[in-house]
Amino acid sequence: AQSVTQLDSHVSVSEGTPVLLRCNYSSSYSPSLFWYVQHPNKGLQLLLKYTSAATLVKGINGFEAEFKKSETSFHLTKPSAHMSDAAEYFCVVSAAGGTSYGKLTFGQGTILTVHP
Amino acid sequence: DGGITQSPKYLFRKEGQNVTLSCEQNLNHDAMYWYRQDPGQGLRLIYYSQIVNDFQKGDIAEGYSVSREKKESFPLTVTSAQKNPTAFYLCASMTDGAEPNYGYTFGSGTRLTVV
Repeated sequence: AQSVTQLDSHVSVSEGTPVLLRCNYSSSYSPSLFWYVQHPNKGLQLLLKYTSAATLVKGINGFEAEFKKSETSFHLTKPSAHMSDAAEYFCVVSAAGGTSYGKLTFGQGTILTVHP
Repeated sequence: DGGITQSPKYLFRKEGQNVTLSCEQNLNHDAMYWYRQDPGQGLRLIYYSQIVNDFQKGDIAEGYSVSREKKESFPLTVTSAQKNPTAFYLCASMTDGAEPNYGYTFGSGTRLTVV
């Protein structure tokens, strides 16, 4: 079984300040972890993914995430928020084995608001 | 360019009607997925298919049906048995199952509304 918990349903920051979106996960198998972003009425765009290589993962648009196995966390960060970052963000875990192979489990989503 | 095409973008259904949502991909991906998105609930898996002519129920399959007659196509039918079908539906595909960490590609979604 696998699950994802996004610890904040809403995060509000000022433009130019750091962004932190928190995610904890659980998985019976070696997980693959992703962060996706969704703008209103759009599909999901992959920001970054953890693939059991480097624990610090760099993604698009200046985002990065650190896989911490001991804390079962995969928090998303960005040093300086931009107005265009305002969107909903999803932390996602994928089972790497068993009958759930390839299935994604989504967190509830975190809505990021960026103020001028 | 390769990608996933979902149609229509907006769909209205009357009570008691079946409707079919289209999902086509030209990425040569083996696996395809249907997710339902409701506000504050993230995405939930309806059905998935890892190869042609085979598909599996996801977490919320009741009231839905699918087919996978071609690798490129994975249509979803929302039947009259689905009591609360109003939602945003997303189709996704993935490369060969040996690389689940390769990443998924999503379509742009279909918003279904019951009128």
